Amino acid sequence: GENVEQHPSTLSVQEGDSAVIKCTYSDSASNYFPWYKQELGKRPQLIIDIRSNVGEKKDQRIAVTLNKTAKHFSLHITETQPEDSAVYFCAASIVGNQGGKLIFGQGTELSVKP
Amino acid sequence: GAGVSQSPSNKVTEKGKDVELRCDPISGHTALYWYRQRLGQGLEFLIYFQGNSAPDKSGLPSDRFSAERTGESVSTLTIQRTQQEDSAVYLCASSSKMMGLAGGLSRTQYFGPGTRLTVL
Repeated sequence: GENVEQHPSTLSVQEGDSAVIKCTYSDSASNYFPWYKQELGKRPQLIIDIRSNVGEKKDQRIAVTLNKTAKHFSLHITETQPEDSAVYFCAASIVGNQGGKLIFGQGTELSVKP
Repeated sequence: GAGVSQSPSNKVTEKGKDVELRCDPISGHTALYWYRQRLGQGLEFLIYFQGNSAPDKSGLPSDRFSAERTGESVSTLTIQRTQQEDSAVYLCASSSKMMGLAGGLSRTQYFGPGTRLTVL
């Protein structure tokens, strides 16, 4: 079955710097790759996602890139702010007409120091 | 509108007891998913329901785990004879059906607040 590896497990940056989190997946049939942010004690919240027919997507300070050949995708956060501190999870899914389960990475704890 | 809700928010039980966890999806969402999150770890897929199709139970860790869903509404996850390793946050998510010619399901899964289960 699908397996998703996520690195690094922890990341500490200074406010204003960029942060990059990388994930690899095993199943080449995966076609949907969301990123979730989870603050302590709260539910995961979708921050950005990308489909397999797209190589890059941006939303203000957040961008995701996908390399289907290498089966990896990355989250890029620019101009980081203290409120970006949280655990970030990548996921991969094979989404069809009946939906699709998400297979998650182990998470990256991002700490943005003021 | 209201988001995904789950109850109870916390459940403490003794080893060997059965527990039932409830999920109310967003109204109109046809797909419902259950995940488990152990402390400091990622989310593990357990089971999902989509309309009248047979549920995908491929993530259930043992036959002590089962889930039901009534139509396109409430779902309950039941854990029988709980063990200490069942201690985790159990998260429910739902997603809607996309409109338009493409049909199929929206990819976005919206999560509930979770039920924190502690097995003593």
